[in-house]
Amino acid sequence: GAVVSQHPSRVICKSGTSVKIECRSLDFQATTMFWYRQFPKQSLMLMATSNEGSKATYEQGVEKDKFLINHASLTLSTLTVTSAHPEDSSFYICSARAHEQFFGPGTRLTVL
Amino acid sequence: GNSVTQMEGPVTLSEEAFLTINCTYTATGYPSLFWYVQYPGEGLQLLLKATKADDKGSNKGFEATYRKETTSFHLEKGSVQVSDSAVYFCALPGSYNTDKLIFGTGTRLQVFP
Repeated sequence: GAVVSQHPSRVICKSGTSVKIECRSLDFQATTMFWYRQFPKQSLMLMATSNEGSKATYEQGVEKDKFLINHASLTLSTLTVTSAHPEDSSFYICSARAHEQFFGPGTRLTVL
Repeated sequence: GNSVTQMEGPVTLSEEAFLTINCTYTATGYPSLFWYVQYPGEGLQLLLKATKADDKGSNKGFEATYRKETTSFHLEKGSVQVSDSAVYFCALPGSYNTDKLIFGTGTRLQVFP
C-alpha cells in the first residue's frame, strides 16, 4: 500500500515555543490530507482537512491560529503548533487520501 | 452526526484463541464501515471494510459483518497469532458523502505464546 511518513516521530519542547510536524506521501500525490489528534485512551479526533493550494478546513473547536496547516505541494502538509502549552501534548496523526486514506505513524508531542 | 462505540481493552489472549472486538455505531443511512489496525511503531492501516448492510469484510483471517439490525460491526478472528498484537480501531464516515472518518477509542490486543 501507499506510504505516508511523519517527522519527527516524537518531540519535546518548552512551553511557548512552536513546533512543526511534517506529513509526506512518499509514493503518491495527495490533494487532500487530514490531521488528527489522539489523547491517551481516546479516539482519533479530526482537527482539520488540508487541501493542496488552498486554506485548510478546521473542525469546530480547533483554533486555526494555533494549529497552522500548510499544504504547499501534493506530497507535503505541515502542522505547526504555535506557542505550545502542556495541554497541547498529544499524539498527532496525519493521513493522505488516494483511493482510501493512508495514515502516517504519528508524532508524539510533549510540551514541558 | 455519526458515531461509533468500541469495547475497551486491553484484550489479552493466548495464541490460537478466538477473538471478538465489539463495535456498534450510530449513523444516518448506511455508511461504509471500517476496521483499522495499528501495529507498534507504525501508522494505521485499513484492515477491512464493508460498504453496505449484510456485507462481510475480511482480510488476514479477520472478519466483520455489517449488521444493520444490531448496528454492529464486530471484528472476529478464529485463531489469533502473536503477530496480531496491535491496536484495532473501528471507524465510519462522519456524515454522508465525506472523507472525514470518526474513530472508536481503539482496542489493544495482546497475544501471548
